Amino acid sequence: NAGVMQNPRHLVRRRGQEARLRCSPMKGHSHVYWYRQLPEEGLKFMVYLQKENIIDESGMPKERFSAEFPKEGPSILRIQQVVRGDSAAYFCASSLPGDYNEQFFGPGTRLTVL
Amino acid sequence: GQNIDQPTEMTATEGAIVQINCTYQTSGFNGLFWYQQHAGEAPTFLSYNVLDGLEEKGRFSSFLSRSKGYSYLLLKELQMKDSASYLCAVRDIQTGANNLFFGTGTRLTVIP
Repeated sequence: NAGVMQNPRHLVRRRGQEARLRCSPMKGHSHVYWYRQLPEEGLKFMVYLQKENIIDESGMPKERFSAEFPKEGPSILRIQQVVRGDSAAYFCASSLPGDYNEQFFGPGTRLTVL
Repeated sequence: GQNIDQPTEMTATEGAIVQINCTYQTSGFNGLFWYQQHAGEAPTFLSYNVLDGLEEKGRFSSFLSRSKGYSYLLLKELQMKDSASYLCAVRDIQTGANNLFFGTGTRLTVIP
């Protein structure tokens, strides 16, 4: 049973470019969460999605960041016009349906903005 | 909002016992999680407490006191591979059904 998959594992972008991060949840999981981890800091919640719905995006920056979880395919975290401060590890987690289930984390995407 | 505090770093000796504390303040507490994270890797689930008391799972135990806003993770018979960051996270029902809010993590170094 494959775990949460994220790709790419490492992504390098120049300032102003777009970054697209993908997350495939564990089989049977319909809830996806995105977290950001800056160097030497804790994980910060960004957004919580279910299939075709954004449930809570209270942790998302208001500009340049967006997320989706379509009916088919992986969840996508999109960062437009990246800046150096976006350099971080972005982790995706998934859980079973139901409000209070354990979250399983993917290996993360390490974004470096030059 | 949520406020979660845990020590930044700890060092312990192989074979010993170490206790990592976590204090929290949150308006809609609905569970506390401990995760282990090795450098450059994903967090992995260790334990979950929603009621007061001690939960034991092999060498790892976790304790919760909701009235004090306090939890600890206890690691027994430390092994070198236990060197990692230990993340305390709380679930806050008022901000979202299953969102987790993490502390900055405690980096544990196990020495021979």
